[in-house]
Amino acid sequence: KNEVEQSPQNLTAQEGEFITINCSYSVGISALHWLQQHPGGGIVSLFMLSSGKKKHGRLIATINIQEKHSSLHITASHPRDSAVYICAVPPYSGGGADGLTFGKGTHLIIQP
Amino acid sequence: DTGVSQDPRHKITKRGQNVTFRCDPISEHNRLYWYRQTLGQGPEFLTYFQNEAQLEKSRLLSDRFSAERPKGSFSTLEIQRTEQGDSAMYLCASSITGVTEAFFGQGTRLTVV
Repeated sequence: KNEVEQSPQNLTAQEGEFITINCSYSVGISALHWLQQHPGGGIVSLFMLSSGKKKHGRLIATINIQEKHSSLHITASHPRDSAVYICAVPPYSGGGADGLTFGKGTHLIIQP
Repeated sequence: DTGVSQDPRHKITKRGQNVTFRCDPISEHNRLYWYRQTLGQGPEFLTYFQNEAQLEKSRLLSDRFSAERPKGSFSTLEIQRTEQGDSAMYLCASSITGVTEAFFGQGTRLTVV
């Protein structure tokens, strides 16, 4: 079973700062998910990536398959970025979205 | 289609009562997943369906938990004889077979008093 570790668990930063959230997992995978959860519970899928880097607006996700590590970066952070960011992986190599294993999440607060 | 829809958004129930939650997936998605999230934790997988077939249910938390997807469209998650430890957010997600991206609903927050 894949084990997922995220760091940091909590992060408070000032508006405009560059944010990095890290995710490590134990079993080789086909794809890794970064998700965003706002207060109230709804989860939004930000990225699904299997190699290299993806960019969407101010969000950048990178993955190193060999090192079993991924990072989520936020450039020019804004208070509306405040949320919980969760990394999720399939339970085994080659697994799809079946029974994703989630990290505990990083609680990000961006102060104006 | 506005995405994955869950109902109700919030449910308060007395200990010992049965509760049922509903999930309507994105219409063309044949896979549907249920997750539970307790405070301060990431979601944990409970069960999933491909069309109407429940392909994995060993991770359901106890025999008080059951899920159905009778026509391969919407799904229900039932918890019988609720306990205070069942208080959590119950999340539903859907996807298409062969595509690993899953889309999540807003969740149902259950409080057992």
